[in-house]
Amino acid sequence: QTVVTQEPSLSVSPGGTITLTCGLSSGSVSTTYYPSWYQQTPGQAPRTLIYSTNIRSSGVPDRFSGTILGNKAALTITGAQADDESDYYCVLYMGSGIQVFGGGTKLTVL
Amino acid sequence: EVQLVESGGVLVKPGGSLRLSCAASGFTFNTYSMNWVRQAPGKGLEWVSSISGINNYIYYADSLKGRFTISRDNAKNSLYLQMNSLRAEDTAVYYCARSFTDYYYGWDVWGQGTTVTVSS
Repeated sequence: QTVVTQEPSLSVSPGGTITLTCGLSSGSVSTTYYPSWYQQTPGQAPRTLIYSTNIRSSGVPDRFSGTILGNKAALTITGAQADDESDYYCVLYMGSGIQVFGGGTKLTVL
Repeated sequence: EVQLVESGGVLVKPGGSLRLSCAASGFTFNTYSMNWVRQAPGKGLEWVSSISGINNYIYYADSLKGRFTISRDNAKNSLYLQMNSLRAEDTAVYYCARSFTDYYYGWDVWGQGTTVTVSS
C-alpha cells in the first residue's frame, strides 16, 4: 500500500520562507495526482489552501504557493507569520475515486 | 453563504451503529460530489468516503472494510454516513466536505465536524 509522506515537523522564523513536501513511499508525485494542501489549527476544521498542484483556493493569500519539486509536491510559505503556525496536510488523488492524506506537518513559527 | 453542518455524533458502544448527517446550504447541492473525512484524537486527517452529485458513484477508503455506507438525499440537500459495527478506532471528529467541481481536485468547503466516540 502506497503511503503519502510529509515531514512530521518543521520550523520557520517570522518573515522567513519554508517549503513543505509531499511524497510517495513508492514512486514520484506528478500533477496527475492533483495534489492539494490543507491548513488546520487545533480544534478547527481544515482550511483549503492549494488544489491541483498550484491553484490557490478562494481567499488564500499569495504567500502560499504550490508546485512540484523533483519527485514531490511542495507547499511554500513566504513571509511566514505567527498565525501560519498550524498543521498542514497534503492529499493525493490515487485514481478510482480514492484520495489519500499525508500524515501532516506541524509547522512552528519561532 | 455556503455552509455544511454535521450532526449525529454521540457516544456509542463497540459494535453499535450510528448515522451521521450533513445539511448543506448556499449552493446547488446536486451538482457537487460530497465527502466524509475523519480525524481521530491527536491524529491526522483521513478521507473516508465520497459520493457523486447525481449518479451516485461511491468510493470508500480501503480501511473501512464495508462497515460504512455513504448516501445523499438531493431533495433534502443532505449527506449521510451510516456506520455499523463500530470500533474504538472509529472514534473521531467526522467532517463533511464538498468536492471541487472536478472531484479529484480535493475539497473546497468544510463543515465544523461532529464527534463520534466509541466506548463501552
